[in-house]
Amino acid sequence: QKEVEQDPGPLSVPEGAIVSLNCTYSNSAFQYFMWYRQYSRKGPELLMYTYSSGNKEDGRFTAQVDKSSKYISLFIRDSQPSDSATYLCAPGGNNRLAFGKGNQVVVIP
Amino acid sequence: GAVVSQHPSRVICKSGTSVKIECRSLDFQATTMFWYRQFPKQSLMLMATSNEGSKATYEQGVEKDKFLINHASLTLSTLTVTSAHPEDSSFYICTLDRPSTDTQYFGPGTRLTVL
Repeated sequence: QKEVEQDPGPLSVPEGAIVSLNCTYSNSAFQYFMWYRQYSRKGPELLMYTYSSGNKEDGRFTAQVDKSSKYISLFIRDSQPSDSATYLCAPGGNNRLAFGKGNQVVVIP
Repeated sequence: GAVVSQHPSRVICKSGTSVKIECRSLDFQATTMFWYRQFPKQSLMLMATSNEGSKATYEQGVEKDKFLINHASLTLSTLTVTSAHPEDSSFYICTLDRPSTDTQYFGPGTRLTVL
């Protein structure tokens, strides 16, 4: 079983829609949870991080973690064409991150 | 602003040559840097952990004699791909931890193409 499972997509949505992305992980030792956004041919950039189960909101982005089911989600409200990118979930612990394959998102104007 | 820089951003080389990639911390001193490799439509794979003033720690399956890492200062780590082959063509990304946090910041990446 892979440490992190993430459906690569692509996921196409119309502008203004809510984007829902998720990952599952297998290692119960993971203590913190990151989401990175990666534009084509660029390095990933940190989007959000959280340490505990529950929701964390930052503008149009909401990260959700359920440690009991090892399930991580990212929601993007009022999606914009500029949100078109690949989104990588990255649970981590002990100074190590594990990455999903990334979800490709396309927001259609 | 950018926290991590990488140079070069893109390099094309002939098979058998060596290529050096630099990773610089712009915002703070980094005792530890990480090197990742990302193939198209694949996840980032950790290659090695670069420790300032000591030998790098390589992940299983990564050849330390092929991927030479030098972390000579608190702001610079270099990855040298020796005797590069076409299968080494990939996107190489360095990251570093912000001190006292669990946050990793990524460099912009270096795209290596070996002909």
